[in-house]
Parts: sequence; C-alpha cells; structure tokens
Amino acid sequence: AQSVAQPEDQVNVAEGNPLTVKCTYSVSGNPYLFWYVQYPNRGLQFLLKYITGDNLVKGSYGFEAEFNKSQTSFHLKKPSALVSDSALYFCAVRDSGNTPLVFGKGTRLSVIA
Amino acid sequence: EAQVTQNPRYLITVTGKKLTVTCSQNMNHEYMSWYRQDPGLGLRQIYYSMNVEVTDKGDVPEGYKVSRKEKRNFPLILESPSPNQTSLYFCASSQQGYGNTIYFGEGSWLTVV
Repeated sequence: AQSVAQPEDQVNVAEGNPLTVKCTYSVSGNPYLFWYVQYPNRGLQFLLKYITGDNLVKGSYGFEAEFNKSQTSFHLKKPSALVSDSALYFCAVRDSGNTPLVFGKGTRLSVIA
Repeated sequence: EAQVTQNPRYLITVTGKKLTVTCSQNMNHEYMSWYRQDPGLGLRQIYYSMNVEVTDKGDVPEGYKVSRKEKRNFPLILESPSPNQTSLYFCASSQQGYGNTIYFGEGSWLTVV
C-alpha cells in the first residue's frame, strides 16, 4: 500500500528567504505525486503534480517541486517566501493501480515578516 | 464555474440523530470521494466512488454510509452520529485516471454533542 511522510509538523521561514517543505513517499508502482495547500477555513487547493517527465515541476503561486526517484522524495520549494504563503501544506500520492489518493499529515508553514 | 459544493458548511448535532452531508460537482467527474480531517492525522479517506452505483470503503468507513445514484452527487450519511465523528469533512472529485487532479469542496464542520 502507498504511504506519504511529511517529517516536519511546522516550518518557519523569514519572508524573502527560500522555503522547502519535505515529502517522502512509498508506492509499489509508478508514483503520481501531488501538493495541495489549505488556507484557514478553506478547502484544499491544488498546487502542482508530478506524473511523468521532467523531475522539476512548476506550479501555482511560484511554487515548484523536485521529484527524486532514488530518494523517493517530492519536496516543495519556493525561492522567496511571502507572508501570504503561510498555510497548511499536504503532500499526496497514488500509484498506477486502482488505488485512492493518500495524504500526508500536513506541514504548517509560517512565514514571518 | 467548476466546483464541488458541500452542504451544510457548519452543523452542530446531537448523538444518534441521523444526518446527511450533501456533495455535488458540476464537472462531470467519474471519481468522487469523502475525507475527514483531524488535527495531527491529516486527511483520511472515508469512502470513494469510481462511478455511478460503484462505491468502496476507504481507510475509516465505520459509522458512515454513501450512495452514488447520480454522477454529480455523492452524499455522506451518518446514521447514528457519535462524538468521535466530530471533524472537518471534505468531498472531492476528479476525472477517472491516476494522474488527474482531485478538486475539493470547501469543507463541512461537523460537531456531534
């Protein structure tokens, strides 16, 4: 069965600095990887996904993520953090079988002015 | 506008009183799903449906029922709610296919007293 780990419950970063939110996964087949963001009292919004092809995926709001097959990781990155990026971030994975999307426990990002 | 609509958004109810949370999508998606979100546990899947009249249990189906009589609707039924079902619930939908993006509703806050 597939699984996702987000090793950090909380990430703090100063505004203007680069940010990284970590995600590692485990699947039996080829992984389909997703990042979602949740702002307070809102649903989950799609940021980006990796299906196949280029290991560096670019998404919404200036975010990007790098797929690393050997390390089974899909870390979310942004070159320069904004206070408005403060939110809860979820990594998710499904494999190529008939399986549901499995989410990590989430990482709360706090960007400090 | 493409969206997933859940109702009610907020509900306080008493133990044992049957309730239904409705979910409707206007994107003609085959796949629909229900998740619950609890602090420290992330999102856990309750039930999912690959198409009309096809439903399957997720990770935490106990105490819940679903039905998929029409493609656009996927209601979540709590026959006899208990306090441990107090949670934030999300409905989601996507086109069939492992790499397709899943779209979420705004969430339904349910409190069982």
